[in-house]
Amino acid sequence: GESVGLHLPTLSVQEGDNSIINCAYSNSASDYFIWYKQESGKGPQFIIDIRSNMDKRQGQRVTVLLNKTVKHLSLQIAATQPGDSAVYFCAENSNTGNQFYFGTGTSLTVIP
Amino acid sequence: KAGVTQTPRYLIKTRGQQVTLSCSPISGHRSVSWYQQTPGQGLQFLFEYFSETQRNKGNFPGRFSGRQFSNSRSEMNVSTLELGDSALYLCASSLGGGLNTGELFFGEGSRLTVL
Repeated sequence: GESVGLHLPTLSVQEGDNSIINCAYSNSASDYFIWYKQESGKGPQFIIDIRSNMDKRQGQRVTVLLNKTVKHLSLQIAATQPGDSAVYFCAENSNTGNQFYFGTGTSLTVIP
Repeated sequence: KAGVTQTPRYLIKTRGQQVTLSCSPISGHRSVSWYQQTPGQGLQFLFEYFSETQRNKGNFPGRFSGRQFSNSRSEMNVSTLELGDSALYLCASSLGGGLNTGELFFGEGSRLTVL
């Protein structure tokens, strides 16, 4: 039968612009969230995390916003660079182990 | 310090065979998790090991199994391979402990192709 693949949302931005990548999570009990970046042929790489007792956290050129009311997470990348081109995943965790649920990912392309 | 190391990086098997993948976590990390990544299903949790015990298990058939050794190194095994098992298998390590103690550090993955 036909194999249906995930349809990755895509985002194209001009170099130097800001990027916003969104993620809707499913479990209201999730209390820890991570954004990962995955470049072609590589494993996911940690970008930034946030716990449910916060609604905003900033890193170097990145900001994560958490809205628990609507179960929404966003990643903002400032002054996007060509090296930021990758697939970005959000991941949620709600138990005492390390079982994370990953979103489908967003493919970011930075246009020089 | 060295990152998460997975071997082999690439392998090709035929249906019905079995495969063993290996993962060496970051030194000092006691938790090792395995994920399957496919274009059709994305990243899906297989299982997690902590101190040689399986702590969490995802929704995969019993053909998928794993273990962890006293030095925290882990192996996963897939028996009676099916075409649908073709995927990138990712290992991730973390400090572990009683609570979700932070980020997962991923290896580069083992790309399995089943013919």
